[in-house]
Amino acid sequence: NAGVTQTPKFRILKIGQSMTLQCAQDMNHNYMYWYRQDPGMGLKLIYYSVGAGITDKGEVPNGYNVSRSTTEDFPLRLELAAPSQTSVYFCASSYRAPGTGELFFGEGSRLTVL
Amino acid sequence: RKEVEQDPGPFNVPEGATVAFNCTYSNSASQSFFWYRQDCRKEPKLLMSVYSSGNEDGRFTAQLNRASQYISLLIRDSKLSDSATYLCVVNFLDTGRRALTFGSGTRLQVQP
Repeated sequence: NAGVTQTPKFRILKIGQSMTLQCAQDMNHNYMYWYRQDPGMGLKLIYYSVGAGITDKGEVPNGYNVSRSTTEDFPLRLELAAPSQTSVYFCASSYRAPGTGELFFGEGSRLTVL
Repeated sequence: RKEVEQDPGPFNVPEGATVAFNCTYSNSASQSFFWYRQDCRKEPKLLMSVYSSGNEDGRFTAQLNRASQYISLLIRDSKLSDSATYLCVVNFLDTGRRALTFGSGTRLQVQP
């Protein structure tokens, strides 16, 4: 079972470049999330989606955009990369609303902006 | 003040020891509580949910104290494989949030 798949696993960007982190899940989960994790910090929610066509901002959405055209895919777009976006990005999904069910995470994407 | 606070550790304990972590949360309007485990450079994975009456899963015991706004995780008979970071996770209800709030984690290192 693939679960939640993220690509790429590693990426180095120059300041001002743009890129898209891909996330796909094969569990038919309605809920999907993007978190970032800085060293020694907890996960911070960037964006989330409760179903195809529906997205909303989390705690730290500035500098990012998302789309959810299908149940399976939830890509995260970084526009005009900045050093402050250096982080580990985790995509997650859940079958039920977050307080009632388990979150399944991808393996993470490590992004460095220089 | 952080909404979910944990002692970052590290907690260094010998194999076979019993170790306990606490986690405090700032908002009483919270519904659900969890412990996630995160191995070094890996993704978080659910360890266990925390129920009001306390619950046990093998060597792991989780407890909730709503009056004092903290949850705890007790690990008995520690194994080398228990070495990881333990994340306290809370589902807050008051602001219409639709996702879980994570603590920064407590690192456990079990020594041979």
